Amino acid sequence: QKEVEQNSGPLSVPEGAIASLNCTYSDRGSQSFFWYRQYSGKSPELIMFIYSNGDKEDGRFTAQLNKASQYVSLLIRDSQPSDSATYLCAVRGGSQGNLIFGKGTKLSVKP
Amino acid sequence: EADIYQTPRYLVIGTGKKITLECSQTMGHDKMYWYQQDPGMELHLIHYSYGVNSTEKGDLSSESTVSRIRTEHFPLTLESARPSHTSQYLCASSAQYYGYTFGSGTRLTVV
Repeated sequence: QKEVEQNSGPLSVPEGAIASLNCTYSDRGSQSFFWYRQYSGKSPELIMFIYSNGDKEDGRFTAQLNKASQYVSLLIRDSQPSDSATYLCAVRGGSQGNLIFGKGTKLSVKP
Repeated sequence: EADIYQTPRYLVIGTGKKITLECSQTMGHDKMYWYQQDPGMELHLIHYSYGVNSTEKGDLSSESTVSRIRTEHFPLTLESARPSHTSQYLCASSAQYYGYTFGSGTRLTVV
């Protein structure tokens, strides 16, 4: 059973701090990795994707991938109260190529 | 602007009724998915399709059925709704190797 593990949180950070969200996956053959943000009562929204080892930056967001250690992380710099949401890690792998979602980490940014 | 549309957004219906949740996308994606998600809980894949006339059951057993007669349309049907079907239903689509785009969801309440 291929798995994607996330700490459910809640992760609480003060406004302006760096929020660090982590995700591990079991399928060593996984090829691509995605971070979704889901506000309460809304549908998930894709915010970052990464395919290669290393860092990928987009504005205040940085995705980090380490395939050898099978983890992917999301850093949010200068966290804002509007970043308060659940963040879902998703990994594409397996023979059918469907995304496997983690259970999500709930982030709370306190003003 | 959403390229994947779900209707209705909210539905309250009596036990035993037949319902169809609509999902349409204008992106020409071959792959489409239905997820079920209770408030604050993880996503559960209930059906997916890789193209016209292709449908598969997902990881979570569901009493619903789906059809894929046209690329852009992937409706989900419950023949006889029960209170246990009360949940949020999310439709998503993707192109090969890309992340999923989710619709706004249908919040179903069976009374």
